[in-house]
Amino acid sequence: EADIYQTPRYLVIGTGKKITLECSQTMGHDKMYWYQQDPGMELHLIHYSYGVNSTEKGDLSSESTVSRIRTEHFPLTLESARPSHTSQYLCASSASPGDINEQFFGPGTRLTVL
Amino acid sequence: GQNIDQPTEMTATEGAIVQINCTYQTSGFNGLFWYQQHAGEAPTFLSYNVLDGLEEKGRFSSFLSRSKGYSYLLLKELQMKDSASYLCAVTDSNYQLIWGAGTKLIIKP
Repeated sequence: EADIYQTPRYLVIGTGKKITLECSQTMGHDKMYWYQQDPGMELHLIHYSYGVNSTEKGDLSSESTVSRIRTEHFPLTLESARPSHTSQYLCASSASPGDINEQFFGPGTRLTVL
Repeated sequence: GQNIDQPTEMTATEGAIVQINCTYQTSGFNGLFWYQQHAGEAPTFLSYNVLDGLEEKGRFSSFLSRSKGYSYLLLKELQMKDSASYLCAVTDSNYQLIWGAGTKLIIKP
């Protein structure tokens, strides 16, 4: 079944640690996105990709990096986690423009940095 | 700049009808989406409008007026499970999705 997956679902980690949040999709979509969302607040785009070897920064200034070596995989890395990184991170994907281009979201990773 | 406005919070009664408005100012327009997001969960797609008019999908309908930069989401026969945030999002001329802050809908028995 076509879907979008994120691991881990929950992560509690200490300050200064390096972490990678995983996102994979089996929908065959070219475009992928990472959003950050605090409880009850709006979505903030932090990174996106149009396809393999394409990565762009979003609106929210972020100390994270992403890579897109394979179409289905779009991991997000924090080199040195800080308490200000505590948030929910949502990965999404969409087909190329020309279709409705709706975004499908993964279940999210809730990150807590102590 | 690009801007999407929607009310922060609305309250309605189970079984009633509620209309959630969204106004937008974006650089170009290539469609408007409504998403539903339950607390602690990811957004899920509800509807899409690219032409003026009403799109109906069961208990939910969405309306668009491009000349007015305006849309609404209409929810009928409200159920307790409809308590959620409703996000309005517009695709601009670069096919980037601009998100509103969401409207938290509270349903009371």
